[in-house]
Amino acid sequence: SQTIHQWPATLVQPVGSPLSLECTVEGTSNPNLYWYRQAAGRGLQLLFYSVGIGQISSEVPQNLSASRPQDRQFILSSKKLLLSDSGFYLCAWSVDRAARGYTFGSGTRLTVV
Amino acid sequence: AQKVTQAQTEISVVEKEDVTLDCVYETRDTTYYLFWYKQPPSGELVFLIRRNSFDEQNEISGRYSWNFQKSTSSFNFTITASQVVDSAVYFCALSDYRSGGSYIPTFGRGTSLIVHP
Repeated sequence: SQTIHQWPATLVQPVGSPLSLECTVEGTSNPNLYWYRQAAGRGLQLLFYSVGIGQISSEVPQNLSASRPQDRQFILSSKKLLLSDSGFYLCAWSVDRAARGYTFGSGTRLTVV
Repeated sequence: AQKVTQAQTEISVVEKEDVTLDCVYETRDTTYYLFWYKQPPSGELVFLIRRNSFDEQNEISGRYSWNFQKSTSSFNFTITASQVVDSAVYFCALSDYRSGGSYIPTFGRGTSLIVHP
């Protein structure tokens, strides 16, 4: 069966420090991968999505970047964190381009201090 | 552009009451998919239902039911005889076509449901 792993679960980082959040999917190949952020107010904001290795689409220009070095690995990064980067980050995957269903990871709660 | 509106920010009910969560969407596509997700306090999003734009049949799953009406661009979710365990944030989402051949979901802002014992 397919599973999605996301880590770490919680993270406290100082302003200006780098960030690396990792997401991996098991049990499938060539998934579509997504990074979402949920800030205060609960809305889910799509940050990046990827339909294949090395293919990254950015939805919102900001302090973050994403990479997909392997088929089932999706990494969210920042060189220098801002206070406004605090939030709950969720990784998700879907099985095909039509994206008929999305499965989410357990999330990373990031606090920038 | 695609848009999902969940006008109800928070709903508070007493256990055993029925409650309906509203979802209104906007899209120019004729082929699209609609979803509902539940987010309990733990934070993880739990998939509840998926609907494609060509299937307007309403669906019932236990105490949950969904009413999809293309004429009003709505996909409402009803919980019958609510229970305390139903307390969560519920998200409606729309997935439609983006360039490159991908369907990308847009989420509403969510409705917080509080069920009191």
